[in-house]
Amino acid sequence: AQSVTQLDSQVPVFEEAPVELRCNYSSSVSVYLFWYVQYPNQGLQLLLKYLSGSTLVKGINGFEAEFNKSQTSFHLRKPSVHISDTAEYFCAVSKAAGNKLTFGGGTRVLVKP
Amino acid sequence: NAGVMQNPRHLVRRRGQEARLRCSPMKGHSHVYWYRQLPEEGLKFMVYLQKENIIDESGMPKERFSAEFPKEGPSILRIQQVVRGDSAAYFCASSPLQGNEKLFFGSGTQLSVL
Repeated sequence: AQSVTQLDSQVPVFEEAPVELRCNYSSSVSVYLFWYVQYPNQGLQLLLKYLSGSTLVKGINGFEAEFNKSQTSFHLRKPSVHISDTAEYFCAVSKAAGNKLTFGGGTRVLVKP
Repeated sequence: NAGVMQNPRHLVRRRGQEARLRCSPMKGHSHVYWYRQLPEEGLKFMVYLQKENIIDESGMPKERFSAEFPKEGPSILRIQQVVRGDSAAYFCASSPLQGNEKLFFGSGTQLSVL
């Protein structure tokens, strides 16, 4: 079975500052890794995913994440946040080609002017 | 191509009533997944269906919950005799193929049990 830990439940950050959201996972098999964003009262939108290949993954809205197999991490970063990035961010893992996602508890990002 | 459509957006039920949540997948998608999000928690997998078949229901509570994805029409998540603990956001996702690489989520149904 897989598990995901998002170490920070809330991250306040000033507009135009960088942000990093931490995600660690555990799994005994090869995994796919995902970051989703959930805006208030909306469903989840895929930001980026790691399936294989380059460990640095670029996603939408200027986000990127780096897969680190030795540290079992998949931290999400953005060099300069906007007010519109205020949302909840979920890290998720699945077995490679698996059918179900295991989500972390989420990190709430609040961007302040 | 419309996205994954879930209705209703909000559903209020009294304890003991039945709740029916509908999910219309994206056009061309034959794989449907249901997830539940309890307050202040991440999403938890419930069930994975293909047309007319339940593939994986390992996340479904053993009693009161059922799901179907008929040949025609939307996928239905049915909760009988709802209790307060069923209050949650229920999300449906669809995919054109097996696996999570091309998964699209709906906006969810917020179920409130009074």
